[in-house]
Amino acid sequence: AQTVTQSQPEMSVQEAETVTLSCTYDTSENNYYLFWYKQPPSRQMILVIRQEAYKQQNATENRFSVNFQKAAKSFSLKISDSQLGDTAMYFCAFRKRSNDYKLSFGAGTTVTVRA
Amino acid sequence: GAGVSQSPSNKVTEKGKDVELRCDPISGHTALYWYRQSLGQGLEFLIYFQGNSAPDKSGLPSDRFSAERTGGSVSTLTIQRTQQEDSAVYLCASSLAPPLTAPNTEAFFGQGTRLTVV
Repeated sequence: AQTVTQSQPEMSVQEAETVTLSCTYDTSENNYYLFWYKQPPSRQMILVIRQEAYKQQNATENRFSVNFQKAAKSFSLKISDSQLGDTAMYFCAFRKRSNDYKLSFGAGTTVTVRA
Repeated sequence: GAGVSQSPSNKVTEKGKDVELRCDPISGHTALYWYRQSLGQGLEFLIYFQGNSAPDKSGLPSDRFSAERTGGSVSTLTIQRTQQEDSAVYLCASSLAPPLTAPNTEAFFGQGTRLTVV
């Protein structure tokens, strides 16, 4: 079984500043996908960014970027130029690249952006 | 529809009663997932449907939980004889194609049903 750990229950950041969320995972797989999902107060989960483990280049989506360290099994999310609309719960998730469709989620990190 | 629709949005029920939670996936999505999100926890996989294949029920926590998907579209998650520990947000998601053939296909989530058992 895969374990996804998010060690920061809550983070607070000033608007326009940068915040980094940590995520570590445990797996014996070599090929897999990693995701960050955002869950605002509306409860709707939204995919923020994904990383394919076989790609060395870190994924980037506008103000969101990841630092993927495969050997360390670490997958942190950096939110640059934080905006009030970034206030949400963020979940790190793991899925094997093979025929396994289950997403394994971490416990989440609540991010609050202060004006 | 435009997105995954779940109903009801909130449900309060008495311990011991049965509840039904509904999920309407995005039109054309063949894969449908149910997850449970307890307070302060991540998402726990419950069940997965793909087309006409037998569902993967390996995540259902007890035999009080069951789910069906009629006509390959709408799904209903039923919890019988509800217990207080069943209180959680139940999230449904759908995707265009099974990960087997399209690994990059993301899952789109509904807004969930918050179930409170009193």
